[in-house]
Amino acid sequence: ETGVTQSPTHLIKTRGQQVTLRCSSQSGHNTVSWYQQALGQGPQFIFQYYREEENGRGNFPPRFSGLQFPNYSSELNVNALELDDSALYLCASSTSVDFQETQYFGPGTRLLVL
Amino acid sequence: RKEVEQDPGPFNVPEGATVAFNCTYSNSASQSFFWYRQDCRKEPKLLMSVYSSGNEDGRFTAQLNRASQYISLLIRDSKLSDSATYLCVVNGYGNKLVFGAGTILRVKS
Repeated sequence: ETGVTQSPTHLIKTRGQQVTLRCSSQSGHNTVSWYQQALGQGPQFIFQYYREEENGRGNFPPRFSGLQFPNYSSELNVNALELDDSALYLCASSTSVDFQETQYFGPGTRLLVL
Repeated sequence: RKEVEQDPGPFNVPEGATVAFNCTYSNSASQSFFWYRQDCRKEPKLLMSVYSSGNEDGRFTAQLNRASQYISLLIRDSKLSDSATYLCVVNGYGNKLVFGAGTILRVKS
């Protein structure tokens, strides 16, 4: 086990709703990244947080937002859900902001938008 | 063009076979390269980092060709437990990890 936990494990929402996903980083890791993995695709980078600040963002609209807390746990918020947001959402923690060190992934949250 | 492109799968091989996966990347400034393994409905896990000099870990060998922007993974003596999706990962534009779509490996007895 990586020591990275995510909640909830599964979630069903309807279009237009908002969702908050949570991630608890591995002890000692100050960097967390979030990814979206659609079925049959590789994970797509959403954003990275380092010391409570966003530190890089992928090609995702502003309705995807995040937070990192002083204990390095993190949230991913998605507003105005769309059907295409249905995916596995993964967080990964690390000790490095430049991805030189191993990313430790949590088990993910499976989101279904109806 | 996608930032990271991998061989299309699936690869269906018998136990004991040698199989090779290829991957190309578009960002010539990339400095970090990895192979991750993802089992069905599980999270990705680091298989190995890829270094310029090439590196080996047991039955797995990774090679990097910076001039051609090409990464490979060789698996020797395939085991049933090697069946998984193998993800090529590169530190891409704007300091982010870019994953390929993955190549499915199925090892059969």
